[in-house]
Amino acid sequence: GAVVSQHPSRVICKSGTSVKIECRSLDFQATTMFWYRQFPKQSLMLMATSNEGSKATYEQGVEKDKFLINHASLTLSTLTVTSAHPEDSSFYICSARDRGGAGNQPQHFGDGTRLSIL
Amino acid sequence: DAKTTQPTSMDCAEGRAANLPCNHSTISGNEYVYWYRQIHSQGPQYIIHGLKNNETNEMASLIITEDRKSSTLILPHATLRDTAVYYCIVMVPSGTYKYIFGTGTRLKVLA
Repeated sequence: GAVVSQHPSRVICKSGTSVKIECRSLDFQATTMFWYRQFPKQSLMLMATSNEGSKATYEQGVEKDKFLINHASLTLSTLTVTSAHPEDSSFYICSARDRGGAGNQPQHFGDGTRLSIL
Repeated sequence: DAKTTQPTSMDCAEGRAANLPCNHSTISGNEYVYWYRQIHSQGPQYIIHGLKNNETNEMASLIITEDRKSSTLILPHATLRDTAVYYCIVMVPSGTYKYIFGTGTRLKVLA
């Protein structure tokens, strides 16, 4: 089945640093990828839609200058958390749609990145 | 806001069928119903989806009511590894293709 890979799976860094998370579709091309954030014991919250070759679309309340998204190829989207602070600590998850599939096909999710800011 | 509501938690005995309900009373005619599950500290895993007909695959069955206002995910023989949070999502397969997750149902399979 379709595989989405996220890297790194876990990152711990100091406050004020920027962290880049990669999301790759391994066996399909994805013009659209999605980024979610999940706090402990809560559901997934959609942060933004990543569009290949164009600007990302952010959900209301998500700071686009804080969470930079780049989707430069059909298999890779990156999320950069800039100047991260402890409140940015969370579980970040990406998903991707296969551009070659039917409109109702399910999204495929990565295994998430646990970000801890000290 | 999510367009689905699910019970917060359920228990099921190992080997028995687990029936997880989902209410989507405001579903529109072209919205599909998708089910995913999330095991602790992993990304959501796709289970099944459907529009109006009942669906079955190797993991589960999806029963959608005739008026499409609710559905039930059935795990026919639950195992301990089925312990997870189960999410029901509705989505129009065009435009933004966004998933809006609700709170999900925390299923605990008991030995």
